[in-house]
Amino acid sequence: DQQVKQNSPSLSVQEGRISILNCDYTNSMFDYFLWYKKYPAEGPTFLISISSIKDKNEDGRFTVFLNKSAKHLSLHIVPSQPGDSAVYFCAASAGSGNTPLVFGKGTRLSVIA
Amino acid sequence: EAGVAQSPRYKIIEKRQSVAFWCNPISGHATLYWYQQILGQGPKLLIQFQNNGVVDDSQLPKDRFSAERLKGVDSTLKIQPAKLEDSAVYLCASSLSGSSSQYFGAGTRLSVL
Repeated sequence: DQQVKQNSPSLSVQEGRISILNCDYTNSMFDYFLWYKKYPAEGPTFLISISSIKDKNEDGRFTVFLNKSAKHLSLHIVPSQPGDSAVYFCAASAGSGNTPLVFGKGTRLSVIA
Repeated sequence: EAGVAQSPRYKIIEKRQSVAFWCNPISGHATLYWYQQILGQGPKLLIQFQNNGVVDDSQLPKDRFSAERLKGVDSTLKIQPAKLEDSAVYLCASSLSGSSSQYFGAGTRLSVL
């Protein structure tokens, strides 16, 4: 039973445009959400997070939106750059401390110059 | 600041053989995690340590997998005997006590033939 779902395995976007990556979750106990970025042969790198008390968090070109009623979050990248091409993982935890992360399967983003 | 170090980077073994992976977390990080990432999937938590104590090992196949963090710093994960389905990338991550921001190593890619 997958508790965190990323239903799009891949996404292609033109440089300069907006990239939108989606994530759905089923566990109502999840209250902290993170996005990680992974390049080939490297470990995942933390990108941005959001607590369930917020519905939006912004960091430069990256914005995460949370819709608790729909159990849905999305990562917006504006403008998209070729260096953003990577696999993006959505992760969730029940609590913002040292609680285990549950990851989605990832979405491969390709930004085309 | 040095990141999470893992070795070896790659390992090829035959089924029923044994293998061990090593992880050195970021200095000062009390919490250490081992994840298994099968191709096409997101990372799945195997075990979580807080200093030298196990916090969560509910998803560790204890009949063949073992892990230790004897001095509360570096850690080893062992598989004995390996099965074909153990082929995966094994990721180590660490975090400060009370923080959800996990920092990942580059991983060890295991192929079981």
